[in-house]
Amino acid sequence: TQLLEQSPQFLSIQEGENLTVYCNSSSVFSSLQWYRQEPGEGPVLLVTVVTGGEVKKLKRLTFQFGDARKDSSLHITAAQPGDTGLYLCAGDLAGGYNKLIFGAGTRLAVHP
Amino acid sequence: ETGVTQTPRHLVMGMTNKKSLKCEQHLGHNAMYWYKQSAKKPLELMFVYNFKEQTENNSVPSRFSPECPNSSHLFLHLHTLQPEDSALYLCASSQVLASTDTQYFGPGTRLTVL
Repeated sequence: TQLLEQSPQFLSIQEGENLTVYCNSSSVFSSLQWYRQEPGEGPVLLVTVVTGGEVKKLKRLTFQFGDARKDSSLHITAAQPGDTGLYLCAGDLAGGYNKLIFGAGTRLAVHP
Repeated sequence: ETGVTQTPRHLVMGMTNKKSLKCEQHLGHNAMYWYKQSAKKPLELMFVYNFKEQTENNSVPSRFSPECPNSSHLFLHLHTLQPEDSALYLCASSQVLASTDTQYFGPGTRLTVL
């Protein structure tokens, strides 16, 4: 059973388009992280959200944590080829016990 | 550069070989992790070390043997592996009991078992 469902699994878009990636669960998380991973590399942390309803912005990326802290979304505005990669969400179920649950990832390809 | 380094970056080994993966973190963290990442699967947590003590072994076969001599170094000793063990092995570190459990990953070791 997948505790964290990410959708879509794959996304292929043209440069300049907008997109949203979703991360959903029936479990409550004390925090949730988004990572981006490029081929042959480890995941790189983009953001950590902690408070229900929290919105964080990182240039063209907007991250939102659901009010009930069970879901999150990542919105990219005017996507660029440099945004290509695997986007992973990870939730901290037990808060402070350092056991993250990862989603399967969304593989994004942005074409020039 | 995340402050977590892994060596080697690539490793090809036969099923009868013995090899070790090394991870070092320069972040002053006190927890370290080994993950396995296979194609089309979520990241699988293998082992967790808090303050050099193993606190999690996620039903990992005994052909994988972790070692944590201090809070900055983590090893994964490999012996008699199977072809299905081929994957990207990722090391991560974090600060236990921080306000959020943010883990920082190394670049990984791409392992191929022939």
